[in-house]
Amino acid sequence: DAMVIQNPRYQVTQFGKPVTLSCSQTLNHNVMYWYQQKSSQAPKLLFHYYDKDFNNEADTPDNFQSRRPNTSFCFLDIRSPGLGDAAMYLCATSRGTISNQPQHFGDGTRLSIL
Amino acid sequence: AQSVTQLDSQVPVFEEAPVELRCNYSSSVSVYLFWYVQYPNQGLQLLLKYLSGSTLVESINGFEAEFNKSQTSFHLRKPSVHISDTAEYFCAVTGGTSYGKLTFGQGTILTVHP
Repeated sequence: DAMVIQNPRYQVTQFGKPVTLSCSQTLNHNVMYWYQQKSSQAPKLLFHYYDKDFNNEADTPDNFQSRRPNTSFCFLDIRSPGLGDAAMYLCATSRGTISNQPQHFGDGTRLSIL
Repeated sequence: AQSVTQLDSQVPVFEEAPVELRCNYSSSVSVYLFWYVQYPNQGLQLLLKYLSGSTLVESINGFEAEFNKSQTSFHLRKPSVHISDTAEYFCAVTGGTSYGKLTFGQGTILTVHP
Protein backbone atom coordinates (compact mmCIF):
# COMPACT_ATOMS: atom_id res chain seq x y z
CA ASP A 1 0.00 0.00 0.00
CA ALA A 2 1.15 3.51 -0.75
CA MET A 3 1.94 5.31 2.43
CA VAL A 4 3.92 7.76 4.51
CA ILE A 5 6.56 6.13 6.73
CA GLN A 6 8.33 7.78 9.62
CA ASN A 7 11.43 6.44 11.33
CA PRO A 8 12.04 5.91 14.10
CA ARG A 9 8.70 5.75 15.91
CA TYR A 10 10.37 6.73 19.17
CA GLN A 11 13.54 8.76 19.53
CA VAL A 12 15.37 9.73 22.67
CA THR A 13 18.12 12.33 22.60
CA GLN A 14 20.06 14.40 25.06
CA PHE A 15 19.57 18.07 25.70
CA GLY A 16 21.53 19.96 23.05
CA LYS A 17 22.47 16.89 20.99
CA PRO A 18 21.45 17.16 17.32
CA VAL A 19 18.81 14.74 16.13
CA THR A 20 17.37 13.86 12.72
CA LEU A 21 13.93 12.44 12.05
CA SER A 22 13.12 10.71 8.77
CA CYS A 23 10.06 10.55 6.53
CA SER A 24 9.55 8.66 3.29
CA GLN A 25 6.57 8.37 1.00
CA THR A 26 5.46 6.06 -1.78
CA LEU A 27 2.59 8.28 -2.90
CA ASN A 28 4.76 10.34 -5.27
CA HIS A 29 3.23 13.52 -3.85
CA ASN A 30 4.73 16.91 -4.60
CA VAL A 31 4.33 18.35 -1.14
CA MET A 32 5.79 17.16 2.15
CA TYR A 33 4.98 18.78 5.49
CA TRP A 34 6.44 18.62 8.98
CA TYR A 35 4.23 19.23 12.02
CA GLN A 36 4.99 19.41 15.72
CA GLN A 37 2.27 18.12 18.04
CA LYS A 38 2.58 18.59 21.78
CA SER A 39 0.46 16.70 24.26
CA SER A 40 -3.25 17.51 24.07
CA GLN A 41 -2.69 20.06 21.31
CA ALA A 42 -3.41 20.31 17.61
CA PRO A 43 -0.57 19.75 15.16
CA LYS A 44 1.44 22.89 14.39
CA LEU A 45 2.94 23.29 10.93
CA LEU A 46 6.70 23.89 10.99
CA PHE A 47 7.45 23.99 7.23
CA HIS A 48 6.70 22.33 3.95
CA TYR A 49 8.38 21.52 0.65
CA TYR A 50 6.72 21.89 -2.71
CA ASP A 51 9.06 19.73 -4.76
CA LYS A 52 12.41 21.33 -3.88
CA ASP A 53 10.99 24.68 -2.80
CA PHE A 54 11.24 25.13 0.96
CA ASN A 55 8.60 27.15 2.81
CA ASN A 56 9.15 28.00 6.44
CA GLU A 57 6.37 29.09 8.77
CA ALA A 58 7.07 32.50 10.26
CA ASP A 59 7.10 31.27 13.85
CA THR A 60 9.23 28.16 13.35
CA PRO A 61 12.37 28.43 15.48
CA ASP A 62 15.75 28.54 13.71
CA ASN A 63 16.66 25.42 15.65
CA PHE A 64 14.51 23.42 13.22
CA GLN A 65 15.79 22.70 9.72
CA SER A 66 14.69 20.39 6.94
CA ARG A 67 16.13 18.63 3.91
CA ARG A 68 14.46 16.99 0.96
CA PRO A 69 17.07 15.19 -1.15
CA ASN A 70 14.50 13.67 -3.51
CA THR A 71 10.76 13.27 -4.01
CA SER A 72 10.47 10.33 -1.63
CA PHE A 73 12.44 11.48 1.41
CA CYS A 74 12.31 14.40 3.79
CA PHE A 75 14.28 14.95 7.00
CA LEU A 76 13.71 17.10 10.05
CA ASP A 77 16.88 18.24 11.78
CA ILE A 78 16.79 19.70 15.27
CA ARG A 79 20.17 21.30 15.81
CA SER A 80 20.15 21.76 19.59
CA PRO A 81 17.07 20.20 21.14
CA GLY A 82 15.69 21.78 24.27
CA LEU A 83 13.27 20.29 26.77
CA GLY A 84 10.46 22.23 25.09
CA ASP A 85 11.05 20.35 21.84
CA ALA A 86 9.79 17.09 23.28
CA ALA A 87 6.74 16.29 21.16
CA MET A 88 5.28 14.08 18.48
CA TYR A 89 6.58 15.05 15.03
CA LEU A 90 4.28 14.27 12.13
CA CYS A 91 5.14 14.11 8.46
CA ALA A 92 2.41 14.54 5.86
CA THR A 93 2.16 14.65 2.10
CA SER A 94 -0.29 15.99 -0.45
CA ARG A 95 -0.56 15.91 -4.21
CA GLY A 96 -0.26 19.67 -4.52
CA THR A 97 -0.89 22.85 -2.68
CA ILE A 98 -4.38 23.33 -4.04
CA SER A 99 -6.59 23.72 -1.01
CA ASN A 100 -8.85 20.76 -1.75
CA GLN A 101 -6.07 18.17 -1.73
CA PRO A 102 -6.17 16.25 1.58
CA GLN A 103 -2.98 15.57 3.47
CA HIS A 104 -1.83 12.04 4.24
CA PHE A 105 -0.02 11.57 7.55
CA GLY A 106 2.59 9.16 8.81
CA ASP A 107 2.37 7.59 12.28
CA GLY A 108 4.76 10.13 13.74
CA THR A 109 7.98 10.08 15.72
CA ARG A 110 7.72 10.72 19.42
CA LEU A 111 10.80 12.65 20.55
CA SER A 112 11.93 12.65 24.15
CA ILE A 113 14.69 14.88 25.51
CA LEU A 114 16.79 13.78 28.48
CA ALA B 1 -7.30 34.47 8.50
CA GLN B 2 -9.11 31.26 9.25
CA SER B 3 -9.89 29.65 12.56
CA VAL B 4 -11.56 26.48 13.79
CA THR B 5 -13.30 25.98 17.12
CA GLN B 6 -14.12 22.56 18.47
CA LEU B 7 -16.57 23.26 21.21
CA ASP B 8 -15.95 20.17 23.34
CA SER B 9 -12.49 19.07 24.45
CA GLN B 10 -13.78 15.74 25.74
CA VAL B 11 -16.92 13.73 24.95
CA PRO B 12 -17.63 10.57 26.98
CA VAL B 13 -20.39 8.28 25.70
CA PHE B 14 -21.56 4.74 26.19
CA GLU B 15 -21.23 2.12 23.48
CA GLU B 16 -24.08 2.11 20.93
CA ALA B 17 -25.13 5.64 21.88
CA PRO B 18 -25.23 8.43 19.30
CA VAL B 19 -22.56 11.11 19.33
CA GLU B 20 -22.02 14.57 17.87
CA LEU B 21 -18.66 16.34 17.84
CA ARG B 22 -19.08 20.02 17.15
CA CYS B 23 -16.94 22.14 14.87
CA ASN B 24 -17.34 25.78 13.88
CA TYR B 25 -15.07 27.71 11.58
CA SER B 26 -14.52 31.28 10.52
CA SER B 27 -13.20 32.35 7.14
CA SER B 28 -13.63 35.23 4.74
CA VAL B 29 -13.34 32.93 1.72
CA SER B 30 -14.79 29.63 0.57
CA VAL B 31 -13.41 26.73 2.51
CA TYR B 32 -12.75 23.03 2.31
CA LEU B 33 -13.41 21.11 5.51
CA PHE B 34 -11.91 17.92 6.89
CA TRP B 35 -12.24 15.65 9.87
CA TYR B 36 -9.18 13.68 10.91
CA VAL B 37 -9.01 10.94 13.56
CA GLN B 38 -5.95 10.19 15.67
CA TYR B 39 -5.66 6.94 17.62
CA PRO B 40 -3.16 6.83 20.52
CA ASN B 41 0.47 7.05 19.37
CA GLN B 42 -0.49 7.22 15.72
CA GLY B 43 -0.67 9.86 13.03
CA LEU B 44 -3.81 11.51 11.72
CA GLN B 45 -6.11 9.61 9.38
CA LEU B 46 -8.52 11.39 7.06
CA LEU B 47 -12.05 10.51 8.15
CA LEU B 48 -14.06 12.58 5.69
CA LYS B 49 -13.97 15.79 3.72
CA TYR B 50 -16.26 18.40 2.26
CA LEU B 51 -15.02 19.95 -0.97
CA SER B 52 -18.22 20.83 -2.86
CA GLY B 53 -21.58 19.39 -3.84
CA SER B 54 -23.75 17.59 -1.32
CA THR B 55 -23.43 19.14 2.10
CA LEU B 56 -23.73 15.75 3.81
CA VAL B 57 -20.59 13.63 3.58
CA GLU B 58 -20.10 10.13 4.91
CA SER B 59 -17.18 7.92 5.88
CA ILE B 60 -16.87 4.19 5.41
CA ASN B 61 -17.15 3.49 9.14
CA GLY B 62 -20.50 5.14 9.79
CA PHE B 63 -19.52 8.72 10.57
CA GLU B 64 -21.13 11.61 8.74
CA ALA B 65 -20.72 15.37 8.77
CA GLU B 66 -22.87 18.14 7.41
CA PHE B 67 -21.54 21.40 6.05
CA ASN B 68 -23.77 24.27 7.13
CA LYS B 69 -22.62 27.48 5.50
CA SER B 70 -25.07 29.77 7.26
CA GLN B 71 -24.00 28.49 10.67
CA THR B 72 -20.35 28.02 9.62
CA SER B 73 -20.40 24.55 11.10
CA PHE B 74 -19.20 21.07 10.15
CA HIS B 75 -20.37 18.83 12.99
CA LEU B 76 -19.43 15.15 13.01
CA ARG B 77 -22.05 12.57 13.93
CA LYS B 78 -22.40 8.84 14.36
CA PRO B 79 -25.71 7.19 15.27
CA SER B 80 -24.15 4.32 17.23
CA VAL B 81 -20.55 4.33 18.47
CA HIS B 82 -18.23 1.41 19.18
CA ILE B 83 -15.42 1.01 21.68
CA SER B 84 -13.02 1.17 18.74
CA ASP B 85 -14.15 4.74 17.96
CA THR B 86 -12.29 5.95 21.05
CA ALA B 87 -9.77 8.45 19.67
CA GLU B 88 -9.08 12.14 19.25
CA TYR B 89 -10.89 13.89 16.42
CA PHE B 90 -9.63 17.03 14.71
CA CYS B 91 -11.64 19.34 12.51
CA ALA B 92 -9.58 21.29 9.96
CA VAL B 93 -10.10 23.86 7.24
CA THR B 94 -8.24 25.09 4.16
CA GLY B 95 -9.18 27.58 1.53
CA GLY B 96 -8.49 30.85 -0.19
CA THR B 97 -4.83 31.72 -0.35
CA SER B 98 -3.77 29.27 2.33
CA TYR B 99 -2.28 26.99 -0.39
CA GLY B 100 -3.66 23.92 1.31
CA LYS B 101 -2.35 24.80 4.75
CA LEU B 102 -4.55 23.09 7.30
CA THR B 103 -5.90 25.13 10.19
CA PHE B 104 -6.82 22.68 12.94
CA GLY B 105 -9.21 22.89 15.82
CA GLN B 106 -7.93 21.94 19.25
CA GLY B 107 -9.31 18.42 19.03
CA THR B 108 -12.05 16.47 20.79
CA ILE B 109 -11.25 13.32 22.71
CA LEU B 110 -14.06 10.82 22.24
CA THR B 111 -14.13 8.10 24.89
CA VAL B 112 -16.58 5.25 24.39
CA HIS B 113 -17.40 3.31 27.55
CA PRO B 114 -18.80 -0.25 27.60
